[in-house]
Amino acid sequence: NAGVTQTPKFQVLKTGQSMTLQCAQDMNHNSMYWYRQDPGMGLRLIYYSASEGTTDKGEVPNGYNVSRLNKREFSLRLESAAPSQTSVYFCASSEGDRVTEAFFGQGTRLTVV
Amino acid sequence: GENVEQHPSTLSVQEGDSAVIKCTYSDSASNYFPWYKQELGKRPQLIIDIRSNVGEKKDQRIAVTLNKTAKHFSLHITETQPEDSAVYFCAASIDYKLSFGAGTTVTVRA
Repeated sequence: NAGVTQTPKFQVLKTGQSMTLQCAQDMNHNSMYWYRQDPGMGLRLIYYSASEGTTDKGEVPNGYNVSRLNKREFSLRLESAAPSQTSVYFCASSEGDRVTEAFFGQGTRLTVV
Repeated sequence: GENVEQHPSTLSVQEGDSAVIKCTYSDSASNYFPWYKQELGKRPQLIIDIRSNVGEKKDQRIAVTLNKTAKHFSLHITETQPEDSAVYFCAASIDYKLSFGAGTTVTVRA
């Protein structure tokens, strides 16, 4: 039982490049989330998916797109990376019938140069 | 949207003393308030949570209190130990949307 798995763990991009961060959970959770973590700013919600087939914007959605591919997978895409998107990205999931404990992936450290 | 403020940003305590972290939230509809601990280089992990119909919850050395009227909640750690050194995040939730505070870096001095 792996929990929440993110790939890749580390990535360096050049400004303007695109990439997709992958996230998968094996806990049969309904809700999934993408956060970014920056020093002194905590965890800021980028997008979330309350259930399969739905996605909603969080606090900082600009420059990102998401896809809830199926119940297990929720990907985050940067279409044209900018240095301001240098951050640690965490995917999380929770049961979703009502908000319960969110389980986090191990994080992706992204650097945009 | 929900705005969660967390204080202090850093906290240094002597081993064996207590640590208190306070959070306020803006939306009275928030109904779930978890606390997460993040060790250096690791993922955040839940340490305790409380729902809006409960005023206090305790788990060994950790307790959380909630004041719905004032829209604030607090984390209390008693008899602190070196392994309590970490970053702690509070959060508040409305309708599946979980919003976090900026975090408190706790250092326990031996």
